[in-house]
Amino acid sequence: KQEVTQIPAALSVPEGENLVLNCSFTDSAIYNLQWFRQDPGKGLTSLLLIQSSQREQTSGRLNASLDKSSGRSTLYIAASQPGDSATYLCAVKNSGGSNYKLTFGKGTLLTVNP
Amino acid sequence: EPEVTQTPSHQVTQMGQEVILRCVPISNHLYFYWYRQILGQKVEFLVSFYNNEISEKSEIFDDQFSVERPDGSNFTLKIRSTKLEDSAMYFCASRPGLPGSGLNEQFFGPGTRLTVL
Repeated sequence: KQEVTQIPAALSVPEGENLVLNCSFTDSAIYNLQWFRQDPGKGLTSLLLIQSSQREQTSGRLNASLDKSSGRSTLYIAASQPGDSATYLCAVKNSGGSNYKLTFGKGTLLTVNP
Repeated sequence: EPEVTQTPSHQVTQMGQEVILRCVPISNHLYFYWYRQILGQKVEFLVSFYNNEISEKSEIFDDQFSVERPDGSNFTLKIRSTKLEDSAMYFCASRPGLPGSGLNEQFFGPGTRLTVL
């Protein structure tokens, strides 16, 4: 059974810092990995999706990498801003099947202090 | 930009009552999902729906739960007899499923917070 773990559970940084969020998964047979942002009491906003054949994806100040064989992904946020404060969730879709159900980690709560 | 919408945003109900949570997926998407998130816990998959039938469901999705696509736009989750432990945020998601960019990406709605008293 796929398990997704995110470390750290919480992170507090000063504005302007570059930071890395970590995600690991137990079954490396994944089809893709998706990073989401969740604001308090709100829905999930998709940030980046990495296919299993890709090693990284970039969107603005965000860069996500994937090392499928070791079961790891990182989300790099450059020049963090207070508006980046949110919970960041990692989710994987296992290979096989066509339903694309996602297995989520518990998230990293990021606070960027002005 | 197209988005998934959900209503209501918050639903309060008494234990044992039936609730229906509503979702309007992004038009021309083919795959639909329900997930839930109990406060402080992970987002958990409940059910996937394609071609007017359930394609996969989790062990959470027991006989008290049902899904329906009553027309061309709505996708509903019904809980027949709510329990205290059904209190959670329920998220609807949809996925294009057609060849082309983004066919694998799931787009989530803002969620419905269900409180069972």
